[in-house]
Amino acid sequence: EAGVAQSPRYKIIEKRQSVAFWCNPISGHATLYWYQQILGQGPKLLIQFQNNGVVDDSQLPKDRFSAERLKGVDSTLKIQPAKLEDSAVYLCASSLVRTSRETQYFGPGTRLLVL
Amino acid sequence: AQSVTQLDSHVSVSEGTPVLLRCNYSSSYSPSLFWYVQHPNKGLQLLLKYTSAATLVKGINGFEAEFKKSETSFHLTKPSAHMSDAAEYFCVVSDPLSGGYQKVTFGTGTKLQVIP
Repeated sequence: EAGVAQSPRYKIIEKRQSVAFWCNPISGHATLYWYQQILGQGPKLLIQFQNNGVVDDSQLPKDRFSAERLKGVDSTLKIQPAKLEDSAVYLCASSLVRTSRETQYFGPGTRLLVL
Repeated sequence: AQSVTQLDSHVSVSEGTPVLLRCNYSSSYSPSLFWYVQHPNKGLQLLLKYTSAATLVKGINGFEAEFKKSETSFHLTKPSAHMSDAAEYFCVVSDPLSGGYQKVTFGTGTKLQVIP
């Protein structure tokens, strides 16, 4: 079974530029998550999708971050414009169903450096 | 309110000695609790989870954790450390929300160093 795929693996941009990350979840997984992991911290949930609908985006900085999950499969996370403090690893995860007991499967992450 | 506290940011043990990584949580519900491991340059992987069944949970690679409601703890243990256990470990609490969704909070992580 293929795991969660993410691209790119690394990205370096200058502040005020825009950037986009892509995630392809495990086939059949209805729930998709995007996390931000700043160096030395635990992952912080940014947004959670159920199929192509947003379940929770309470911690997403909506003035600069956006995400979509068209057709309930792939997802993209965009930052525009980027700030220095956005330097982090962006993790995508998926789970089969949406309950609190469900295991999340994580991709390898995209490491973003904003200069 | 939901929160997770990992009491040690770094733990160092000798190979072959026991491992104890401590985690305390706060939840207004009957939470599910997880331990994930992150090896360098690899994705997060589930070690084990507690979902209101047996309070002693066994996971992969010889790890286990015990849910203690009275102490709001979910400490991770292993009888004998192996060099391959060197990684960062995250304790996670997950609460049910209305509509069947979940609210998830990760701890800040504990880096385990294993000395040969």
